[in-house]
Amino acid sequence: DQQVKQNSPSLSVQEGRISILNCDYTNSMFDYFLWYKKYPAEGPTFLISISSIKDKNEDGRFTVFLNKSAKHLSLHIVPSQPGDSAVYFCAAMNQGGKLIFGQGTELSVKP
Amino acid sequence: DTGVSQNPRHKITKRGQNVTFRCDPISEHNRLYWYRQTLGQGPEFLTYFQNEAQLEKSRLLSDRFSAERPKGSFSTLEIQRTEQGDSAMYLCASSSRPAGGGNEQFFGPGTRLTVL
Repeated sequence: DQQVKQNSPSLSVQEGRISILNCDYTNSMFDYFLWYKKYPAEGPTFLISISSIKDKNEDGRFTVFLNKSAKHLSLHIVPSQPGDSAVYFCAAMNQGGKLIFGQGTELSVKP
Repeated sequence: DTGVSQNPRHKITKRGQNVTFRCDPISEHNRLYWYRQTLGQGPEFLTYFQNEAQLEKSRLLSDRFSAERPKGSFSTLEIQRTEQGDSAMYLCASSSRPAGGGNEQFFGPGTRLTVL
């Protein structure tokens, strides 16, 4: 069963606008969530994380929001830049420390 | 510190052959993870080490797969009698803190395996 889901396989946004990537999870025991960015032929690059005791974490243009009651998190990128075009993965960490990834959302930021 | 490195970057092999991949984690990171990623999917957990001890193995890791981390430094992942279904990107990651927060895992560039 897919414990972490990213239901939008792709997203297209205009440069300068906000990109919102969504992620849903099923296991309420997850206590840490991360977003990774991946370019083709490279490994995932860590972007931002959030602990389950928080509902928001911000780092520059990137903000992650966590809604525990809805088991939903989102990544906001403002303003979006063409260099942000990549595949974005959300991941949840279980008690043992391993990551469970969603299927990814391919973001395309158009100039 | 040059980050996590993996070798080789690409491996093409014939079905039935054995292959071995190497991962060098960020120095002083005590945790090392192996994941596998296929097209259109997110990475899937295979196994992880804390220092030299292998603490967890996924059901995805059949008996043809074996991983080691001698002396708690680099790690190797060996696949015996490769099958076409083993074709994937094999990713290694390392981290420095216990689970429960602040445990960002840093990934290497991956090894792309193609089994013909």
